[in-house]
Amino acid sequence: GENVEQHPSTLSVQEGDSAVIKCTYSDSASNYFPWYKQELGKRPQLIIDIRSNVGEKKDQRIAVTLNKTAKHFSLHITETQPEDSAVYFCAASKAPNMLTFGGGTRLMVKP
Amino acid sequence: GAGVSQTPSNKVTEKGKYVELRCDPISGHTALYWYRQSLGQGPEFLIYFQGTGAADDSGLPNDRFFAVRPEGSVSTLKIQRTERGDSAVYLCASRSSGGQETQYFGPGTRLLVL
Repeated sequence: GENVEQHPSTLSVQEGDSAVIKCTYSDSASNYFPWYKQELGKRPQLIIDIRSNVGEKKDQRIAVTLNKTAKHFSLHITETQPEDSAVYFCAASKAPNMLTFGGGTRLMVKP
Repeated sequence: GAGVSQTPSNKVTEKGKYVELRCDPISGHTALYWYRQSLGQGPEFLIYFQGTGAADDSGLPNDRFFAVRPEGSVSTLKIQRTERGDSAVYLCASRSSGGQETQYFGPGTRLLVL
């Protein structure tokens, strides 16, 4: 089955700096890659997603890139703010099937 | 509109007891997923319903776990003879049909088995 690895497990940045989180997946048939943000005790919330026919997608301060050949995808957050502090999860799927999640990255943005 | 809801929000039970966890998906969403999230880890897939039928139950850890969705809307996850290792947050997600891939998560049920 699919295996998703996520790095780093923790990331501390200064407010205003950029943050990058990287994930690799194992199943070349996966075609859908969402990113979720989860605050302590809250539900995971989708922040951005990308499909395998696209190499990059951007939404304001957030962008995701996908390299299908290397089977890795990354989340980029620019101009980080304290409210960006949370745990971020990447996931991979052969849509519409289940999501396989990475282990999560705890992002801390220091004011 | 209303998002995915789950009840109860917290459940404390004793080892060996039976529990039921309920999920109310977003109205009209035909696909429903159950995941389990242990502390400090990503959610792990349990079971996926398309309508009333289980399309994929490969994530259920053993036969103590069972889930139903009799009318294609509300789903119940049932755990028999609970063990301490079942303690986790149980998350439900729903997805619309028509090629939409986004899964919307509920707030979860935090299960503690003493």
